Amino acid sequence: KAGVTQTPRYLIKTRGQQVTLSCSPISGHRSVSWYQQTPGQGLQFLFEYFSETQRNKGNFPGRFSGRQFSNSRSEMNVSTLELGDSALYLCASSFQAGASAYEQYFGPGTRLTVT
Amino acid sequence: SQKIEQNSEALNIQEGKTATLTCNYTNYSPAYLQWYRQDPGRGPVFLLLIRENEKEKRKERLKVTFDTTLKQSLFHITASQPADSATYLCALASGSARQLTFGSGTQLTVLP
Repeated sequence: KAGVTQTPRYLIKTRGQQVTLSCSPISGHRSVSWYQQTPGQGLQFLFEYFSETQRNKGNFPGRFSGRQFSNSRSEMNVSTLELGDSALYLCASSFQAGASAYEQYFGPGTRLTVT
Repeated sequence: SQKIEQNSEALNIQEGKTATLTCNYTNYSPAYLQWYRQDPGRGPVFLLLIRENEKEKRKERLKVTFDTTLKQSLFHITASQPADSATYLCALASGSARQLTFGSGTQLTVLP
């Protein structure tokens, strides 16, 4: 079974721009969660989608948004990029909803650099 | 405020010994606790999940304990190997929260 894939793997953007990241979960998984990882703050939960609905959201500003499609693929969007948004963005999929209760399968991440 | 602390940022041990990593938490009543391994440049890999009503879980050379009185989880790797060198993350969630909160991780190095 193919693992979680994320595209692109690396991205360089300028402050003020917007960016869209994509995640394809493991086949059959309907839950997709997004995380931001930085050296200073570690791994932080952004949001979780299940069956095209956002089930839970972390403590991030409204500039961070996401969506899930009927095939369970998910995208996250960051508008008006700030330097502090530079991070590794990780997507994780799970068979069932409720990221806390089930093992999650992480993708390799998208390394976003904002200049 | 809620806090998760993992013992020392870095831990070095000799090959063949048992590595013990600690995850302490405050102001949480976690229903689930998970451990992940992360290698440089890669996403975390799930290792073990333990529920609040379970004291111990094992998987091959791995063992995790969960003490809700001490508010602590211990993660053990027996007969450690250089290939076990990685950063290990604990993550937990309360029964009402649907999101996982991760600790900052412990970087384990197993010396040959």
